[in-house]
Amino acid sequence: GQQLNQSPQSMFIQEGEDVSMNCTSSSIFNTWLWYKQDPGEGPVLLIALYKAGELTSNGRLTAQFGITRKDSFLNISASIPSDVGIYFCAGQLGIQGAQKLVFGQGTRLTINP
Amino acid sequence: EAGVAQSPRYKIIEKRQSVAFWCNPISGHATLYWYQQILGQGPKLLIQFQNNGVVDDSQLPKDRFSAERLKGVDSTLKIQPAKLEDSAVYLCASSPWDNYGYTFGSGTRLTVV
Repeated sequence: GQQLNQSPQSMFIQEGEDVSMNCTSSSIFNTWLWYKQDPGEGPVLLIALYKAGELTSNGRLTAQFGITRKDSFLNISASIPSDVGIYFCAGQLGIQGAQKLVFGQGTRLTINP
Repeated sequence: EAGVAQSPRYKIIEKRQSVAFWCNPISGHATLYWYQQILGQGPKLLIQFQNNGVVDDSQLPKDRFSAERLKGVDSTLKIQPAKLEDSAVYLCASSPWDNYGYTFGSGTRLTVV
């Protein structure tokens, strides 16, 4: 089945630093999404990317859909304490009405104040 | 709009016992998903419904897991009998037919002892 390789698995940074994480796959996806999950909660959508090469920002977050459609990255600029959590990439497959998500293993972000 | 509701939030059972989880999706969302998230991993799709029909249950361990969405609205996921390796968070998500936007519930954390 499809697998997503997400890296790094964990990051320990100082408040104010920029963060970068990425996701690669051997399969082609038609949509890439990035989620954040806080303890005890479900994942919350941060950014969705629908076209190869697309670069999208959401506040301090920027994500790109790779040209090959097999990879994506997420950058967080000027990190703040509330950025702490687990970030997941997800690739979407399937036709409308039957689409499903495949998730990466997650990147755990820890911020030292 | 109200989010995806799941209950219970936590459940502890002994191995070989049965357990059931309930999910009420966002009103009007045609597609409902059940994901299993083992500690330290990304969510893995168990089953996907389109209205009250199953779209994908290829990763559902059918010898012990079952799910239904009888009226095309809320859904239940059952495990019978439970094994130690079933300890995980069970996430429900829903999406509209014509939109790629998923919304996850907060999940049910199952511990099998």
